[in-house]
Amino acid sequence: DAGVTQSPTHLIKTRGQQVTLRCSPKSGHDTVSWYQQALGQGPQFIFQYYEEEERQRGNFPDRFSGHQFPNYSSELNVNALLLGDSALYLCASSPPRTGTYYGYTFGSGTRLTVV
Amino acid sequence: RKEVEQDPGPFNVPEGATVAFNCTYSNSASQSFFWYRQDCRKEPKLLMSVYSSGNEDGRFTAQLNRASQYISLLIRDSKLSDSATYLCVVSTTSGTYKYIFGTGTRLKVLA
Repeated sequence: DAGVTQSPTHLIKTRGQQVTLRCSPKSGHDTVSWYQQALGQGPQFIFQYYEEEERQRGNFPDRFSGHQFPNYSSELNVNALLLGDSALYLCASSPPRTGTYYGYTFGSGTRLTVV
Repeated sequence: RKEVEQDPGPFNVPEGATVAFNCTYSNSASQSFFWYRQDCRKEPKLLMSVYSSGNEDGRFTAQLNRASQYISLLIRDSKLSDSATYLCVVSTTSGTYKYIFGTGTRLKVLA
């Protein structure tokens, strides 16, 4: 049973460029959340997608955008990259809501370095 | 003030020791609570959910104090393999369950 898969695993980009990160949720999960984790910090919520729509958004600028496809997979796009965007980007999926006590399942992340 | 606060540590303890971590949260409407474990340069993994009645899983015990808005994790008989960062996670359910993470507490168990 495949868990959450993310691609690519590592990426190096130049300031000002654009990047797209991809996530396939765990089988049976329909909600995808994206997090940014800077070194030494906890993951910070970027946004969450459900039924192909952005359902909730954290405190991130519009340079961060996303998409969810009918098969529940998702993309995170970041435009006009800044050095401060260097981080581990984590995708987490969760199952249809049957309660509030389900933890997310995380992918292994994409490590983005902006130079 | 951060929504979820943890002492970043590091906590350096000898094998076999008992260690406790605390976490405070600011939103009294928070409804779900978790401890996640994160190994260096890896993704966070769910360690345990935290219930109002407290819960135990082997050497790990989690407690929730809603009145004081804090969560604790107790690790007994520490193993070298327990060395990791422990993330406190809080969720406020309002149509979605968005998880708010603390900064994490680093634990190093020494031989």
